[in-house]
Amino acid sequence: EDKVVQSPLSLVVHEGDTVTLNCSYEVTNFRSLLWYKQEKKAPTFLFMLTSSGIEKKSGRLSSILDKKELFSILNITATQTGDSAVYLCAALRWGSNYKLTFGKGTLLTVNP
Amino acid sequence: SAVISQKPSRDICQRGTSLTIQCQVDSQVTMMFWYRQQPGQSLTLIATANQGSEATYESGFVIDKFPISRPNLTFSTLTVSNMSPEDSSIYLCSGQSGNTIYFGEGSWLTVV
Repeated sequence: EDKVVQSPLSLVVHEGDTVTLNCSYEVTNFRSLLWYKQEKKAPTFLFMLTSSGIEKKSGRLSSILDKKELFSILNITATQTGDSAVYLCAALRWGSNYKLTFGKGTLLTVNP
Repeated sequence: SAVISQKPSRDICQRGTSLTIQCQVDSQVTMMFWYRQQPGQSLTLIATANQGSEATYESGFVIDKFPISRPNLTFSTLTVSNMSPEDSSIYLCSGQSGNTIYFGEGSWLTVV
């Protein structure tokens, strides 16, 4: 059975701090690792990582995938209160049973 | 990118009734999926909506309870049948466009 584990489950930081969110996966026919940000609405797409060792960046957010060790990290630098959200990691299985399996998420709270 | 619209966005339903959620994508997508997110939980895949044929259900979900239609490449419906309070949840439609999987805003159902 496909499995995605995120850590920590929750995190409280102060504005300006840097945070690292972790995601490990065990997925048959793994294709890609996706990160989403979820506030009160539906998940908003952040990154899709398919190749190992190539960092993707978007503003203060960056992410990288290690396909040998089966994990990914999401970094947020100079955090702001608007970064407060649940960050979801999901592993994409390819092939006839194409499927996205989600972790439980990391609840990030950024205090002013 | 793809913009995914869901209707209704929110509803309160009586126990024993059924409700159909509509999902409309602004462009053709290869794959469409339906997820459930129960309070405080992550996303769980209900089924893959296949165009012109029966949906593919995940373990624990059956067609009689969650009938799904997908008549074309941009539209799908999910019906939650014979609802009970345990069905109170957010139901999310998603679609694959290019290398990304996008989500609708979700339909928040409360069963009383």
